[in-house]
Amino acid sequence: QKEVEQNSGPLSVPEGAIASLNCTYSDRGSQSFFWYRQYSGKSPELIMFIYSNGDKEDGRFTAQLNKASQYVSLLIRDSQPSDSATYLCAVQNTGGFKTIFGAGTRLFVKA
Amino acid sequence: SQTIHQWPATLVQPVGSPLSLECTVEGTSNPNLYWYRQAAGRGLQLLFYSVGIGQISSEVPQNLSASRPQDRQFILSSKKLLLSDSGFYLCAWAGTANSPLHFGNGTRLTVT
Repeated sequence: QKEVEQNSGPLSVPEGAIASLNCTYSDRGSQSFFWYRQYSGKSPELIMFIYSNGDKEDGRFTAQLNKASQYVSLLIRDSQPSDSATYLCAVQNTGGFKTIFGAGTRLFVKA
Repeated sequence: SQTIHQWPATLVQPVGSPLSLECTVEGTSNPNLYWYRQAAGRGLQLLFYSVGIGQISSEVPQNLSASRPQDRQFILSSKKLLLSDSGFYLCAWAGTANSPLHFGNGTRLTVT
C-alpha cells in the first residue's frame, strides 16, 4: 500500500464549478497535512495546510480532514482556468520531519 | 522574509560524470532541509533530509549523497551519474517539525 494515495485523474470541471480532490494516507500517527499546486515545469507551491479534523477555508479553497478515515480532501470553489494544474497531497509522518507526497491529481478547468 | 536558492536551473550531464547541486536558504536559522526528485509525470520522492549541520537522513538507496556543511546550505552529489538519475530535483526547507515545506525553483537534470 502506498503511503499517500491520490486519484491521478485527469479531473475535468467547467469554469465556475467546484473541483473536489481526494487523498488517503496510511500512517495513523500523521499530524500535518498539506495541499500543493504544481504547474507544469514548475516547483510545488503550498496552497493549504490542516492539522485538525474538520474543515479549513481560505478564499476559494477548503481543506477537509478526517483522521479516523485517514482521508484528506481539497475543494476548489468557482474553479478558474488558472486553477488547471497538478494538485499534490502531502502528509508528514509521525515525528513531523518527513513529508510524503502523493503522485498528484491533474485538474483541468474548461473555460 | 525567507528565500531559497537552488542552482543550476537545468543541467545536461553524460552517464558516469559527477554531480553537484547546491541549495541555500536565507532569512531563517537552523531550517530542516530536504532533497526531493520528481521523475517525468510522477510524484515527489524524498531522497534526503537534514535537521542540522552534518546530520543527513537517507531515504532511498542510490548512488546519490547529500551534505550539509553549513546551517543553510544543502548539497546533493553523485560520483557517477546513471541514466535513471534524470529528473527534476527540488530542494525545500521547513522551519520546524510539522511545518509546511517551501521549495526552490528546482534543477532539471538530464543524463545522456
